[in-house]
Amino acid sequence: AAGVIQSPRHLIKEKRETATLKCYPIPRHDTVYWYQQGPGQDPQFLISFYEKMQSDKGSIPDRFSAQQFSDYHSELNMSSLELGDSALYFCASSYPKGGRRTEAFFGQGTRLTVV
Amino acid sequence: GNSVTQMEGPVTLSEEAFLTINCTYTATGYPSLFWYVQYPGEGLQLLLKATKADDKGSNKGFEATYRKETTSFHLEKGSVQVSDSAVYFCALRSLGTYKYIFGTGTRLKVLA
Repeated sequence: AAGVIQSPRHLIKEKRETATLKCYPIPRHDTVYWYQQGPGQDPQFLISFYEKMQSDKGSIPDRFSAQQFSDYHSELNMSSLELGDSALYFCASSYPKGGRRTEAFFGQGTRLTVV
Repeated sequence: GNSVTQMEGPVTLSEEAFLTINCTYTATGYPSLFWYVQYPGEGLQLLLKATKADDKGSNKGFEATYRKETTSFHLEKGSVQVSDSAVYFCALRSLGTYKYIFGTGTRLKVLA
């Protein structure tokens, strides 16, 4: 079965550089979520999109922005990178089913290391 | 605000031992509750879920019952295996929102 695809899987950037993370949701999933997981920590919600519109916002820094495109893939843009941005970034997707929303299906994550 | 509290790990058990990982939550209304598992170097995989009070989610021998009176969703397994070694996250999603709130995770280590 198709899963959520994230690219790249690993990324190394220097401080103050920019990074773009991409997420391809499962086909026919209309909602995308982004999470940040620091070492040994729980995933922290950053932002979500439903039908290409921002649906919810969490603890996303102003240096980060994201969007969902017409093909439902999403990109997380991170600028002025800081050492503290080093983390595992997860994308997840879900779809409506029976009047409710399914659980979130997570990708493998992108490990960002800022040096 | 909404929150999830999990028992701290790590939890170390011998193979075939009984497992309980406690999870309690604070939320308005009737959230959906989930257990996700994360194996080393991998993403989060849904283990089980429950969407209303008294629902029991089950998968791969794991079970959890949505207890509204005690605001709990404890994870149990009767006989753990070495392959169950992973980090387990309890999570909730409130009705009408898209945001999942995770607990801090509980690392389980099962010894042969």
